Amino acid sequence: AQKVTQAQTEISVVEKEDVTLDCVYETRDTTYYLFWYKQPPSGELVFLIRRNSFDEQNEISGRYSWNFQKSTSSFNFTITASQVVDSAVYFCALSEGDSGTYKYIFGTGTRLKVLA
Amino acid sequence: NAGVTQTPKFRILKIGQSMTLQCAQDMNHNYMYWYRQDPGMGLKLIYYSVGAGITDKGEVPNGYNVSRSTTEDFPLRLELAAPSQTSVYFCASTLYGGTDTQYFGPGTRLTVL
Repeated sequence: AQKVTQAQTEISVVEKEDVTLDCVYETRDTTYYLFWYKQPPSGELVFLIRRNSFDEQNEISGRYSWNFQKSTSSFNFTITASQVVDSAVYFCALSEGDSGTYKYIFGTGTRLKVLA
Repeated sequence: NAGVTQTPKFRILKIGQSMTLQCAQDMNHNYMYWYRQDPGMGLKLIYYSVGAGITDKGEVPNGYNVSRSTTEDFPLRLELAAPSQTSVYFCASTLYGGTDTQYFGPGTRLTVL
C-alpha cells in the first residue's frame, strides 16, 4: 500500500542554518510522482516541486534543493541559509501512475520554525 | 484566471445543521478533489471526481456528499454536521489526475459546535 512518512513532526533552527526535511515513501508502482508543498501560517498550500520516478536528478531552486533517492525511497528537502519566512508546515505527497487511481497521498507534515 | 476558489472562508455550524462548501476552478481541469485537514495533521481525501458526472469516495467520505454537474464546480455537502467535522477543507484540481500538480483553493475553516 502507498504511504508517505514524514517522521520529523517539528524542527526549530536559527536563521541562516541549513535544514533538511525528510520524506520516505512506499509504493509498489514503478511510475509515481512525488511532490512538496509549503503551508505558511496564512494557511494556503503552495506547490514547491514535482518529481517523477524516472528522474533521479537532484534539483536546486535558489535556497531550496531536493534529493531523490530511489534506493532508500526518500525525497528529502533541504533549505540552505534558512530565513524566518521559511517558517511553515511542509508536506510531502505521492501519487501512483501505474494503478490509475488518480489519488494523492500526503504525509503528516513537518513544522519548521526558523528563529531570528 | 482565478484558479481554484472556495466559499465561504469561515463558517460556524451547530450540530445537526447542513451546509454546502463551494469549489470552482477556471482552468478547465478534469480532476477535482476535496480534502480535510485536522489540526496538526496532513490532508485526508474525502471525495474526488475525474470529470463531470463522475465522483468517487476517498479515505474519509462518511458524513459528506458531492456532485459534479459541470467541469468547473465541485460542491461538498455536509449533512447533519457533527463536532468531528470541525476542520479546514481544501478543494484542489489538476488537469491529469495522479500525475499532475494539484492546485489548491484557499480553504474553508469550519467549526461545528
